[in-house]
Amino acid sequence: DTGVSQNPRHKITKRGQNVTFRCDPISEHNRLYWYRQTLGQGPEFLTYFQNEAQLEKSRLLSDRFSAERPKGSFSTLEIQRTEQGDSAMYLCASSLEGLAGAANEKLFFGSGTQLSVL
Amino acid sequence: TQLLEQSPQFLSIQEGENLTVYCNSSSVFSSLQWYRQEPGEGPVLLVTVVTGGEVKKLKRLTFQFGDARKDSSLHITAAQTGDTGLYLCAGLRGSNYQLIWGAGTKLIIKP
Repeated sequence: DTGVSQNPRHKITKRGQNVTFRCDPISEHNRLYWYRQTLGQGPEFLTYFQNEAQLEKSRLLSDRFSAERPKGSFSTLEIQRTEQGDSAMYLCASSLEGLAGAANEKLFFGSGTQLSVL
Repeated sequence: TQLLEQSPQFLSIQEGENLTVYCNSSSVFSSLQWYRQEPGEGPVLLVTVVTGGEVKKLKRLTFQFGDARKDSSLHITAAQTGDTGLYLCAGLRGSNYQLIWGAGTKLIIKP
């Protein structure tokens, strides 16, 4: 298993354009998370899937952001009409639901997609 | 205002020295995790602490969860250049799966 894979690693776009990122989680993991991280800050939660169901979405997330996980495997995050404030590292993480409960859940992160909006 | 405050924000010390970084909150957490992140990479989980007062050791790293489960510390003994990185703490409240993150401590170990 090669871990969580994210593509592309880097994306430069002009303001107003749409962008889409892909995340391939660890194959047996049923939970998938998207986070955003800016310089000097910890990751900020965006959304969370259990299998193909999107169970939670941050209230801070604009309607320009949408995420899917159509077959409960890979996921895509789309940002429409990008703004300069969207520039950040977008991180994907996956985990396996366990009997030990949320407290012992282990998240495995990908290397992220660094987005720069000009 | 950060729900989890990490201190110091930045620490630069010589190889071989000891150090402690802190993760503090006024809220109670059901568990707390420590991650290390290198530039251009995602965070990597180091440890999860669940029980108040719990101490876990990972080679030269010692993690402690406060008795009241509101704070945690990470102590590194005889730091090495390979310990350089951003150390992040993240906590879970109740059974909610949404982690709350601190802003991190950027650690640089000089040879």
